Amino acid sequence: DQQVKQNSPSLSVQEGRISILNCDYTNSMFDYFLWYKKYPAEGPTFLISISSIKDKNEDGRFTVFLNKSAKHLSLHIVPSQPGDSAVYFCAASKTGNQFYFGTGTSLTVIP
Amino acid sequence: DTAVSQTPKYLVTQMGNDKSIKCEQNLGHDTMYWYKQDSKKFLKIMFSYNNKELIINETVPNRFSPKSPDKAHLNLHINSLELGDSAVYFCASSQGQGAGEAFFGQGTRLTVV
Repeated sequence: DQQVKQNSPSLSVQEGRISILNCDYTNSMFDYFLWYKKYPAEGPTFLISISSIKDKNEDGRFTVFLNKSAKHLSLHIVPSQPGDSAVYFCAASKTGNQFYFGTGTSLTVIP
Repeated sequence: DTAVSQTPKYLVTQMGNDKSIKCEQNLGHDTMYWYKQDSKKFLKIMFSYNNKELIINETVPNRFSPKSPDKAHLNLHINSLELGDSAVYFCASSQGQGAGEAFFGQGTRLTVV
């Protein structure tokens, strides 16, 4: 039962352009959403999060948007840099319960 | 100074063996987790421990058993290893169950031959 889905396994973007990574979830009880970045042979590292009481959270080049009615969130990276090339995981939780992860989107930023 | 460390990083072993993966966190978190990333890259929760008490136990085989000697450690013991157990196992911790961000270890790539 995959409650968090990332339907695009890969994405390629030119350096300097915007990268948009998408994530859908099925459980309306989720109240906390996170994005993680993962390099090969390393564990996922936290990137940015958003609570269900907000619809946008921004941290430098990274912005997460939450659309609760559509059960959809997205991560925008502007401008994209070659160092952003990694696998990005979306995760969701209901506080007090476990984190559920998507299958990841592999982002390649082309110099 | 690694926040969540797990050992070993690589583990190759034969079917039927028993092995352990160790995990330690120095963040003072009260909840620790074990995740399995299979060949499809899906990160799936296996266990979580809060204050030394197992509070989530997904439908994993009972050959897998978590052991938490204290709040900072959550080790994973696997008995009678099978080929299908080959995967990358990640340990993680957070302050509060499903709250805040989870910090992950570097992963242990287990290969059963």
